[in-house]
Amino acid sequence: KAGVTQTPRYLIKTRGQQVTLSCSPISGHRSVSWYQQTPGQGLQFLFEYFSETQRNKGNFPGRFSGRQFSNSRSEMNVSTLELGDSALYLCASSLDGQGYSPLHFGNGTRLTVT
Amino acid sequence: QKEVEQNSGPLSVPEGAIASLNCTYSDRGSQSFFWYRQYSGKSPELIMFIYSNGDKEDGRFTAQLNKASQYVSLLIRDSQPSDSATYLCAVMNYGGSQGNLIFGKGTKLSVKP
Repeated sequence: KAGVTQTPRYLIKTRGQQVTLSCSPISGHRSVSWYQQTPGQGLQFLFEYFSETQRNKGNFPGRFSGRQFSNSRSEMNVSTLELGDSALYLCASSLDGQGYSPLHFGNGTRLTVT
Repeated sequence: QKEVEQNSGPLSVPEGAIASLNCTYSDRGSQSFFWYRQYSGKSPELIMFIYSNGDKEDGRFTAQLNKASQYVSLLIRDSQPSDSATYLCAVMNYGGSQGNLIFGKGTKLSVKP
């Protein structure tokens, strides 16, 4: 069974631009979560989607948004990029995001904002 | 705000020794616990999960859970240099602004040849 696939793997953008990251979950997984990871900050939760609906949202500004499609694939968008948005963005999928359903992470997208 | 606490390390052990990684959590109602391994520059990889009090063994890894004391630990027997990584403890949270899993900040393990 294929794992979680994230594209692209690397991105370099300049301040003020916007970026879209893509995530394809494991087949059959309906919950997709997004995390930002920076050195020293650990994994910071961005949002979770389930059945095309945003079910949970972390404490990030509105510049960070996402969506989920009917095939469970998800995208996240960051508008008006800032230098502080440079990070590893991780997508994780699970069967339903509840109970005993662990998260399985993709390889991440490393975003560099210059 | 629910919390998951880990010693950031680095924890340094010689090759062949037992590495012991500890994690405490604040929500007494937590039911599911996970350990992830993250190599530098890579994404977290699930290595163990435990739901019941006691020990759960999988190869060289043993997860231990004590709900009364609100701690979960990971033992790595016969540590190898390839085990050198950051180990993240995660606790199921069922959503909210912290997401479905709350992660600790990780313990960096270094296994010296």
